[in-house]
Amino acid sequence: AQSVTQLDSQVPVFEEAPVELRCNYSSSVSVYLFWYVQYPNQGLQLLLKYLSGSTLVKGINGFEAEFNKSQTSFHLRKPSVHISDTAEYFCAVSGRGSARQLTFGSGTQLTVLP
Amino acid sequence: DADVTQTPRNRITKTGKRIMLECSQTKGHDRMYWYRQDPGLGLRLIYYSFDVKDINKGEISDGYSVSRQAQAKFSLSLESAIPNQTALYFCATSEREGRTHTGELFFGEGSRLTVL
Repeated sequence: AQSVTQLDSQVPVFEEAPVELRCNYSSSVSVYLFWYVQYPNQGLQLLLKYLSGSTLVKGINGFEAEFNKSQTSFHLRKPSVHISDTAEYFCAVSGRGSARQLTFGSGTQLTVLP
Repeated sequence: DADVTQTPRNRITKTGKRIMLECSQTKGHDRMYWYRQDPGLGLRLIYYSFDVKDINKGEISDGYSVSRQAQAKFSLSLESAIPNQTALYFCATSEREGRTHTGELFFGEGSRLTVL
């Protein structure tokens, strides 16, 4: 079994400030990790993913995330946010076993303020 | 055109009515899924299908049924809708099991259902 915890349901931040969205997971097997973004009135799209290799993963729109196996975390960061980054962000985990079902966190609403 | 298309995008209905949400995909993926999104709860899996003859219940399948009419089509039905089924519903696809399969999902734009 696997689970994902997103520690913050709402994150307000001013434009051009840095942001970190936190994600912790639990799993009995090795995992793949994902961040998805959902803009208002749209579906989810992939922001970035960790499959293997370097623990620092770069995604679209200047976002990056770091896989920390010892802390079972996969926090998402951006050094300078824009108004257009306002969206809901979902962390998700997939076990490397045969089922590889994706389990989602409850989401973090990022609101960028002018 | 979108790779994963859901219809209708918005629907308002009354308690007790039968509702069908449809999903079609052009990605050529074998696996298809239906999720429901509620505020503060993230996405929860309703049903999934690994191929046309393989249908599986997810964590919240009660009150729902599905049909996999073809590799590219996967529909979700509410036989008798109730107000707590008001939600945003997403269809998604993924690759078949294999070396390149990571669990990554590709989503439609969602179907917003309101049950009065």
